[in-house]
Amino acid sequence: GQNIDQPTEMTATEGAIVQINCTYQTSGFNGLFWYQQHAGEAPTFLSYNVLDGLEEKGRFSSFLSRSKGYSYLLLKELQMKDSASYLCAVRDPNRDDKIIFGKGTRLHILP
Amino acid sequence: GAVVSQHPSRVICKSGTSVKIECRSLDFQATTMFWYRQFPKQSLMLMATSNEGSKATYEQGVEKDKFLINHASLTLSTLTVTSAHPEDSSFYICSARDPGGLYEQYFGPGTRLTVT
Repeated sequence: GQNIDQPTEMTATEGAIVQINCTYQTSGFNGLFWYQQHAGEAPTFLSYNVLDGLEEKGRFSSFLSRSKGYSYLLLKELQMKDSASYLCAVRDPNRDDKIIFGKGTRLHILP
Repeated sequence: GAVVSQHPSRVICKSGTSVKIECRSLDFQATTMFWYRQFPKQSLMLMATSNEGSKATYEQGVEKDKFLINHASLTLSTLTVTSAHPEDSSFYICSARDPGGLYEQYFGPGTRLTVT
């Protein structure tokens, strides 16, 4: 089976930096996503990593290490609106179009 | 680009009735759409994959006769929850993959279903 682990909750302060970790155990690997989901809303796409390394996109960066089955999402200059759940997800190695989601990390931003 | 709409956003229905939820891709054609279900503080669980012009593919444990999916055009998929029960109350979200993208899925705003 496929398994994705990420912390359930995290708290950080406005203006600071936070790193949300994700580890996965899958029978193969075709790519990893990060999504943001505000309470009661649908997820929005943040990033997609398929090769090792860091991908930077504004205040958000995503890192992948395929050999370690590990990824992190780095959020800089935190704003109150960043309070949300962050979902780590992987492409199903057995089915090209299917995405398997982790349970998400609820990030609380304090003023 | 890659906008997906969903209707209705909220619906309350009585036990035993059926509810239809629509999912539309607004600025691209989607041969495949996905239907998810999400319980409070839980992750997204894929229910089924909707394929334009053919039968939907259901995930293990999802009753295809209870959750009817129709993908009649390249921009519209519908999910009908038949004979709804209170345990069907949940957040239902559809998504579609932009063929010009990198395998990411774009999600509709979701439908909050409450069965009384």
